[in-house]
Amino acid sequence: KAGVTQTPRYLIKTRGQQVTLSCSPISGHRSVSWYQQTPGQGLQFLFEYFSETQRNKGNFPGRFSGRQFSNSRSEMNVSTLELGDSALYLCASSLGRRAEAFFGQGTRLTVV
Amino acid sequence: AQKVTQAQTEISVVEKEDVTLDCVYETRDTTYYLFWYKQPPSGELVFLIRRNSFDEQNEISGRYSWNFQKSTSSFNFTITASQVVDSAVYFCALSEAQETSGSRLTFGEGTQLTVNP
Repeated sequence: KAGVTQTPRYLIKTRGQQVTLSCSPISGHRSVSWYQQTPGQGLQFLFEYFSETQRNKGNFPGRFSGRQFSNSRSEMNVSTLELGDSALYLCASSLGRRAEAFFGQGTRLTVV
Repeated sequence: AQKVTQAQTEISVVEKEDVTLDCVYETRDTTYYLFWYKQPPSGELVFLIRRNSFDEQNEISGRYSWNFQKSTSSFNFTITASQVVDSAVYFCALSEAQETSGSRLTFGEGTQLTVNP
């Protein structure tokens, strides 16, 4: 069974640009969550999608957005990039609310 | 509000030593789930265990064991006879069961474990 796949693995963007990250969950998983990991703030929850609906949202500015497609694949978008957005972005999929989450290898975003 | 604390930032041991990673959590919910994840240098978080708040039985899986104590709000993780391959960052996480929480995980700060040969 294929795991969670995130693309691209690495990205370098310039301040002010926008970026889209992609996540393909494990087959059959309808919940997809996104996390930001930085040395200073640790692992922080961005948002969760379930059956194409945003179910939960963390404390991030509106520049961070996401969506989920009918095949459960998800994308997250960050507009007007700032240097502080440099981080490892991790996607996780699960069967549902009480199930364990499985993570992808992440997308390492560097903003210069 | 929920919170997870891993007070040990870094631990360094010599191969074959036993090591315990501490995790203390806070939640107002009576139903919740606790997790441990391992993050090797590749970056992917590897799921190790899930525990629900009603199951205080300790669990052993090979060299890994977990001690869940509701009375002290702790969920500690012990690696017996550590190996170099155990070197990684280990995260403890909490998920509340209420509808509005969804699958949201609150993570601790992580403990960097280094096992030296």
